[in-house]
Amino acid sequence: EPEVTQTPSHQVTQMGQEVILRCVPISNHLYFYWYRQILGQKVEFLVSFYNNEISEKSEIFDDQFSVERPDGSNFTLKIRSTKLEDSAMYFCASRTTGGRQPQHFGDGTRLSIL
Amino acid sequence: EDQVTQSPEALRLQEGESSSLNCSYTVSGLRGLFWYRQDPGKGPEFLFTLYSAGEEKEKERLKATLTKKESFLHITAPKPEDSATYLCAVPTGRGGSEKLVFGKGTKLTVNP
Repeated sequence: EPEVTQTPSHQVTQMGQEVILRCVPISNHLYFYWYRQILGQKVEFLVSFYNNEISEKSEIFDDQFSVERPDGSNFTLKIRSTKLEDSAMYFCASRTTGGRQPQHFGDGTRLSIL
Repeated sequence: EDQVTQSPEALRLQEGESSSLNCSYTVSGLRGLFWYRQDPGKGPEFLFTLYSAGEEKEKERLKATLTKKESFLHITAPKPEDSATYLCAVPTGRGGSEKLVFGKGTKLTVNP
């Protein structure tokens, strides 16, 4: 069964450094998402992406964040200058076209900022 | 603002002891409701989509139901392998974004 894959599974970075989280969505999906989950809290939306542009972004997704689909298979989330509060699990998700289609999630990248 | 509230936060059951998890939601125009299972250190795994009040979906020991204000996930004769956090989510957002708003989840523990 097709699945969303994310790398790395764990990333440890010094505060102020740039980090890139990578995702390979399911191949025939066209809608892509990033969510994050701080330990013990809800899964919360960061950004949605369709047709090579951002569809919607949350208040969390400020100028330090960016997303890119550099080729036909990868979808990346970049944090330019990491902060301690960026420590969280980051999940990539994708879905196919059509209404009411479920989003399928990867197993996440655990980002630890020191 | 769209909101999803799940209860209880945690539930301990003995193997074979049936129970239900609740998800109540406040959205402007329901576009469906999703149930996910999340194991520790993993991403949410899709279980069910419910579209309209009165709808039911089943998968093994799980049955999900939907009313106009809440959804229930019924677990019949659970086994230890059903232990996980169960998440409820509703799609919202502009245009085709369909971002998901999640509840905090119910952590289910099934003891042998």
